[in-house]
Amino acid sequence: EAGVAQSPRYKIIEKRQSVAFWCNPISGHATLYWYQQILGQGPKLLIQFQNNGVVDDSQLPKDRFSAERLKGVDSTLKIQPAKLEDSAVYLCASSSADRASYAETQYFGPGTRLLVL
Amino acid sequence: AQKVTQAQTEISVVEKEDVTLDCVYETRDTTYYLFWYKQPPSGELVFLIRRNSFDEQNEISGRYSWNFQKSTSSFNFTITASQVVDSAVYFCALSELGNTPLVFGKGTRLSVIA
Repeated sequence: EAGVAQSPRYKIIEKRQSVAFWCNPISGHATLYWYQQILGQGPKLLIQFQNNGVVDDSQLPKDRFSAERLKGVDSTLKIQPAKLEDSAVYLCASSSADRASYAETQYFGPGTRLLVL
Repeated sequence: AQKVTQAQTEISVVEKEDVTLDCVYETRDTTYYLFWYKQPPSGELVFLIRRNSFDEQNEISGRYSWNFQKSTSSFNFTITASQVVDSAVYFCALSELGNTPLVFGKGTRLSVIA
């Protein structure tokens, strides 16, 4: 079974530029998460999707970050304009659970390392 | 509010030594799930184990073992006879019932020296 795919793996941009990340979850997984991992810290949730609907985006800086999950499969995360403090690894994860079920294991992609200069 | 504390920032051991990584959690829920993930230098988070709050049985998988104690809110991870390939950052994480996001600790960087 293929794992969670993410691209690009690395991205370097200058502040105030825009950037987009792509995620393809494990086939059949209804729930998709985007996490931000700053160097030396654990991942922190940015947004959670259930199929193509947003479940939790309370920690997403909506003035600059946006995300969508068209057709309930692939997802894109965009930053516009980027700030220096956005330098981090952006991790996508998916799980087979829905809101009514018990927690299922989240499987992570390789992440996208973003450096904002 | 949920919180996960991994007090050990970095640990260094010599190959074949045993090592225990500590994890202490806080939650007001009676039903919750605990996880351990491994993050090697490549960056991908690799799932190691999931344990629900009703199952306090310790688990062993090869050289890995986990000790879950609700009385002390701890979920510690032991690697027996460590190997260089075990070098990575290890994260403990917590989630509530109902498919909620993971709350991670800050991680423990383990270095195994040959």
